[in-house]
Amino acid sequence: QKEVEQDPGPLSVPEGAIVSLNCTYSNSAFQYFMWYRQYSRKGPELLMYTYSSGNKEDGRFTAQVDKSSKYISLFIRDSQPSDSATYLCAMTPFGNEKLTFGTGTRLTIIP
Amino acid sequence: GAGVSQSPSNKVTEKGKDVELRCDPISGHTALYWYRQSLGQGLEFLIYFQGNSAPDKSGLPSDRFSAERTGGSVSTLTIQRTQQEDSAVYLCASSLEVGLAGVRTQYFGPGTRLTVL
Repeated sequence: QKEVEQDPGPLSVPEGAIVSLNCTYSNSAFQYFMWYRQYSRKGPELLMYTYSSGNKEDGRFTAQVDKSSKYISLFIRDSQPSDSATYLCAMTPFGNEKLTFGTGTRLTIIP
Repeated sequence: GAGVSQSPSNKVTEKGKDVELRCDPISGHTALYWYRQSLGQGLEFLIYFQGNSAPDKSGLPSDRFSAERTGGSVSTLTIQRTQQEDSAVYLCASSLEVGLAGVRTQYFGPGTRLTVL
């Protein structure tokens, strides 16, 4: 079993919808949780990160971490066609340089 | 400013040949990382450099894989005697020192797409 599980999708939603992307994990040592966005043929770019449990909001994006359930989420409000990409969750213990990634969810926003 | 660059962008090679992949990190970034991205596998950590030292090589899949970094800047990932299962996108990332929250932000390059025939 992988340390980080992520539904690969693909996920297609109409423009303006709220998108929910999720990951589960098994390693209780993970403390930092990140979401990366990757456009086709490009490298991943960091969207948001959170430390431990809680919520973090940045514009249309909200990241949630529930350590008790070992479950993290990324919500995208008012989704735009430009949000169409693969979204990868990543996580790491405190003081560890190695990121463990999910497989990524491919998202398409339909105009 | 310039981001992380990688070369070549694409590499096609024959099974058994050696390949070298190059990464130029963002100027001033002290840490450098190599990852491999295979279809359906997500990003797999290979190796991490702090300066020219590699404190964590735990992700290198076999002794056919090696990496070095010189002058605290450019890094080369070498794969010897390539196999078809080595076909993947090889991504490099770099980062500054640990940020306020105790985590480094890793900035990724566009990757090198390696195809082993």
